[in-house]
Amino acid sequence: GDSVTQMEGPVTLSEEAFLTINCTYTATGYPSLFWYVQYPGEGLQLLLKATKADDKGSNKGFEATYRKETTSFHLEKGSVQVSDSAVYFCALSDYGGSQGNLIFGKGTKLSVKP
Amino acid sequence: DGGITQSPKYLFRKEGQNVTLSCEQNLNHDAMYWYRQDPGQGLRLIYYSQIVNDFQKGDIAEGYSVSREKKESFPLTVTSAQKNPTAFYLCASAGGRREKLFFGSGTQLSVL
Repeated sequence: GDSVTQMEGPVTLSEEAFLTINCTYTATGYPSLFWYVQYPGEGLQLLLKATKADDKGSNKGFEATYRKETTSFHLEKGSVQVSDSAVYFCALSDYGGSQGNLIFGKGTKLSVKP
Repeated sequence: DGGITQSPKYLFRKEGQNVTLSCEQNLNHDAMYWYRQDPGQGLRLIYYSQIVNDFQKGDIAEGYSVSREKKESFPLTVTSAQKNPTAFYLCASAGGRREKLFFGSGTQLSVL
């Protein structure tokens, strides 16, 4: 079945460092891809999405490009801040499949030090 | 303000007790979901409902029950059959193509 694999964390960076969180997926169709963010003690929020190959999603300085040839959707940010400390989840939508639900990766915890 | 509300924020369960977690949304969404989050495990789907009076088991439904009598409400009961209930429980809702989920702020359930 469809699945999402994220790099394991935790990831610890200094403020203003470059961030990459890797995400690859397995899907039989043409899924939409998402990054969600969870701040401490809260639910998840949609950070960005891409609905077809070569689309780039972006929000709050974060970017991710839907790469069909490598089945990847890596999250990047050029200069992280302490306020970016959170858990990041990659997800795909198998809408049109048996459940029509989102499939989440296990999450990657990011800690940014001042 | 439109949103999704979970209560309580913290809940404690005694041995052999059933407890119910509340989830209410005023976003007029048809679909609602319950996820369980354990450290390092990501989110696992417990139950979901695509429409009122209908719901389906997710990946880890054993020991849980739900109802969907109203569009706005999707309560989750953690029964005594759930032997390891300590976790963070997240409720979500979605409209349209079900691609953007709106999450509540979660309930942390612990066993006394």
